[in-house]
This record gives sequence, structure tokens and C-alpha cells, in this order.
Amino acid sequence: DQQVKQNSPSLSVQEGRISILNCDYTNSMFDYFLWYKKYPAEGPTFLISISSIKDKNEDGRFTVFLNKSAKHLSLHIVPSQPGDSAVYFCAASGQGGSEKLVFGKGTKLTVNP
Amino acid sequence: DAGVTQSPTHLIKTRGQHVTLRCSPISGHKSVSWYQQVLGQGPQFIFQYYEKEERGRGNFPDRFSARQFPNYSSELNVNALLLGDSALYLCASSNDREGYNEQFFGPGTRLTVL
Repeated sequence: DQQVKQNSPSLSVQEGRISILNCDYTNSMFDYFLWYKKYPAEGPTFLISISSIKDKNEDGRFTVFLNKSAKHLSLHIVPSQPGDSAVYFCAASGQGGSEKLVFGKGTKLTVNP
Repeated sequence: DAGVTQSPTHLIKTRGQHVTLRCSPISGHKSVSWYQQVLGQGPQFIFQYYEKEERGRGNFPDRFSARQFPNYSSELNVNALLLGDSALYLCASSNDREGYNEQFFGPGTRLTVL
């Protein structure tokens, strides 16, 4: 059973436009959510996180929105840049992130110049 | 500041052999976790160690084992390698202070089993 789902395997956007990556989860015990970016042949790089007590967290061009009732979160990247092209993983955890991360399968974002 | 380091970068083994992968966490981080990532999937949790004690174990067979040393570095051991063990093995460390904690990943070890 996949507790964290990223239903879009890929997304293509134009440079300067908004990228929206979506993630759904099923386990209501998750209380901390993270987004990681991964380039080929590298480990995942932490991007941004949000706790379940918030519904929005912003860091520069990156904003994460959490809708607990829908068990849905999204990552917005504005404006998108070609260097943002990577695979983006959504991850969830209980106990404030102190326990294991459960990852989605990832969404490959391509930002076209 | 040095990030999480892992060694070796790449490894080729044959079926039945065993392998040891190593990880050094970010300085000051006491928690280390191991993940396996196969092609097309997200990382899957294998183990988590904190202060040298196993805190969590994922759904992996007993062929997988790990330990954490007094300096908080860690080893992942896999015995009787199978073709299906071919994957990127990722180590992550976290501060594990009270509150919310991000896990930071190393570059991974690419294991190929022939």
C-alpha cells in the first residue's frame, strides 16, 4: 500500500511560469511533510518542509501548501527556472520528522527555456 | 560544513557476496537512517539509528543489518546478495532535536549485483 502518492510521473513547464507538483497521502498519523529535489547520480536535496499545524510555508521561490482535510500537499515554484529541472520527491513522517520518511515515487520536472 | 558522506561511490558485486556500505553524518547529527532507492521508485526506509541504538527497521529481510559507532558514523551490511539488491543506497542524518527535524541525504552508493 502506497501511503504517499505522486500521481504525475512528469511535468513540463516554460521558464518563468509556475510549476505545481502535487502529493497525496493516506496515513493521518503523518505530521511532517518534506519536499526533496534529486538530480541524477546525486542524493536527494532537502527543499522545504511543513508541519501539520500549518497550511503554508514559503521559502523564496518555493511554497508548500498543506490541506489536511484532503490529505493533499503541493509544491509551487515561481518563477520556474531551467535549473529546477530534476525529480521532486514528496515525503512524510510522523513524530516531527524524527522517524522514517515515507516517499512518493517522484515527479520529473522539466523547465524549458 | 561537510555534508553527509558515503563510501564507496560505486560498487559491483556478484550474487551471494556480501557488502559493507559506510556513512558519516553531518557533524553534530546523532541520527542516521538508511534508504534503498531502485530505479523509478522513491527511497525506501531500511534502518534508523540514534545514539547507537536501532530506532526503526523497514520491511527488509534479515540479510540487511546495520550499526552505528560512537562517533555516529554508520555501516550498512548486506549478506547473500541478490540481483534485486541492485540499487542506490542512501544515508541520511538528522539533528533529532525536539521539534521538527529534516533529514539530509548523502550522495549515495550505487550497488550493482551481477
